[in-house]
Amino acid sequence: DGGITQSPKYLFRKEGQNVTLSCEQNLNHDAMYWYRQDPGQGLRLIYYSQIVNDFQKGDIAEGYSVSREKKESFPLTVTSAQKNPTAFYLCASSLNRGRDTEAFFGQGTRLTVV
Amino acid sequence: AQKITQTQPGMFVQEKEAVTLDCTYDTSDQSYGLFWYKQPSSGEMIFLIYQGSYDEQNATEGRYSLNFQKARKSANLVISASQLGDSAMYFCAGGGGYQKVTFGTGTKLQVIP
Repeated sequence: DGGITQSPKYLFRKEGQNVTLSCEQNLNHDAMYWYRQDPGQGLRLIYYSQIVNDFQKGDIAEGYSVSREKKESFPLTVTSAQKNPTAFYLCASSLNRGRDTEAFFGQGTRLTVV
Repeated sequence: AQKITQTQPGMFVQEKEAVTLDCTYDTSDQSYGLFWYKQPSSGEMIFLIYQGSYDEQNATEGRYSLNFQKARKSANLVISASQLGDSAMYFCAGGGGYQKVTFGTGTKLQVIP
């Protein structure tokens, strides 16, 4: 079955540690996105990538880093520079052409700093 | 730049009634897409419906329809015959294609028996 897989579902991090969230898709989508969602709020764009080996900052990129070495994979690293990393993180992907441009989402990773 | 605005933080609707969730957008792009997503308490994002800026007819998907008024830059979601399972957060989003997808702040819908 085609889809987007995020892992892990729950993640705990000590203050000062970097942590990497995984996002893999087998939909052959060109674009991939990372969003952050805080309780009771909407989604805010962290980074996005329209093509392999290229990515752009979203609205809240500070304290985060990404890579796009393969079309299928778009890992997000939450660095120690991110002062308030506890949140729900959603990865999405979409085609970059025609009508089929809706974003499909993974199940999300809930990150908690302990 | 694309901006999506949802002005209703929360809405109530009686079961079996119809409800309209508001969404306005602001973009300078000539071609764009508008989407609605449902997010139940489990956190997953479920795609509901899509409207392309050049589509002349309003999109419909089962009980969901999108009231697209280009001149007013609005893309309201209409849910007919509400069901208890429709209780969730609903997000309007815009972009796609070669544009990044941006989201509104969401509307929490509660269906009352």
